[in-house]
Amino acid sequence: QSVLTQPPSASGTPGQRVTISCSGSSSNIGSNTVNWFQQLPGTAPKLLIYSNNQRPSGVPDRFSGSKSGTSASLTISGLQSEDEADYYCATWDDSLSGYVFGTGTKVTVL
Amino acid sequence: EVQLVESGGGLAKPGGSLRLSCAASGFTFSSYSMNWVRQAPGKGLEWVSSISSTGTYIYYADSMKGRFTISRDNAKKSLYLQMNSLTVDDTAVYYCARDGGRFVPAAMSFDSWGQGTLVTVPS
Repeated sequence: QSVLTQPPSASGTPGQRVTISCSGSSSNIGSNTVNWFQQLPGTAPKLLIYSNNQRPSGVPDRFSGSKSGTSASLTISGLQSEDEADYYCATWDDSLSGYVFGTGTKVTVL
Repeated sequence: EVQLVESGGGLAKPGGSLRLSCAASGFTFSSYSMNWVRQAPGKGLEWVSSISSTGTYIYYADSMKGRFTISRDNAKKSLYLQMNSLTVDDTAVYYCARDGGRFVPAAMSFDSWGQGTLVTVPS
């Protein structure tokens, strides 16, 4: 079982804003930066956000990330149909000496 | 362009072994740490193991310790995962993923992924 907790699902209509939370602890999110990944159906995950709030080149600016204390969040502003996917947070856990992934959130565009 | 191509997956007997490989191209392989991540059918992502750029530092998820061995050959630009004592719970797609730097953890971790290779251990 994952040590990072995400809501199982989130949804919105095109153009709406959707926010996904990722809750951890002092040994993981509280001590390290958070990355976010998008996994479209049937494909490999793709890095969406790194170092809490940085976007790799090519990632649309409607995706943004933030972190506060032991929680992080991913916001999709201006939801589009192609954003329908699974989203995962991840970080390093100092106690486990390993990476941990979130439980994943399925985003549905209504 | 960064390319990671996994191979070696397939059907394995319970208690059996498999060796996965990941061939890298499009970047200086010896300058990056590498990871294995798996995903059971219909489930989320699970980190398996990481290895630093020179192979000096190695990390495993607790459930894999003692059964899985990660290694790399920088001359061949290849990453490996030796999996022993396989159980039905090891059934998953195994992804090779690049880390963001020489050492683990990196800020830009898992910045490139392969397409994955399926390992099936029947009950």
